[in-house]
Amino acid sequence: DSGVTQTPKHLITATGQRVTLRCSPRSGDLSVYWYQQSLDQGLQFLIQYYNGEERAKGNILERFSAQQFPDLHSELNLSSLELGDSALYFCASSVGRGQNTGELFFGEGSRLTVL
Amino acid sequence: LAKTTQPISMDSYEGQEVNITCSHNNIATNDYITWYQQFPSQGPRFIIQGYKTKVTNEVASLFIPADRKSSTLSLPRVSLSDTAVYYCLVGDGGTYKYIFGTGTRLKVLA
Repeated sequence: DSGVTQTPKHLITATGQRVTLRCSPRSGDLSVYWYQQSLDQGLQFLIQYYNGEERAKGNILERFSAQQFPDLHSELNLSSLELGDSALYFCASSVGRGQNTGELFFGEGSRLTVL
Repeated sequence: LAKTTQPISMDSYEGQEVNITCSHNNIATNDYITWYQQFPSQGPRFIIQGYKTKVTNEVASLFIPADRKSSTLSLPRVSLSDTAVYYCLVGDGGTYKYIFGTGTRLKVLA
């Protein structure tokens, strides 16, 4: 158990809909990262937050947004969903904000299926 | 931003030692090198991390040459349960972006 909690574990929805994925980082971790992993693909970096502030953006679509709240949990919002958005969405957390260590702790992911 | 290159796949037999090499030519001075293991439909799991020379823990060793442009993950005496994808991750170079490479799919055969 990494200590990172993601909900929901599974989500099935229709094209055009909007969903919210939630992540609770490990206790004491200030940084949260979101990754997308499509079927049999690698991990695509989406966005990173540190203590409530956005720190880095990757290949995140404009239809997607995220935020980190004062209690440090984070939410990833996906809107106007398309079939291609079906994927596993992982959240990871770390203590610092880019200490170049790369020691990230991942949750078990939220599997999104868009029909 | 350091980009990593790994072999796409490897096969090995149970009980053998497996070495997976990662190339990271433009690693930054203060970047660490971290290896992860991922099973299907699970989040990546930290295996080992190093900065230079050799690091060993209870599951693996990590060898990093002096120029730090590559690293080798060594898994001693692999078992069937080591079948997974292994990712080499180089530190963010100050960008806060941790970009994973394509990973190496290791298949351990009986």
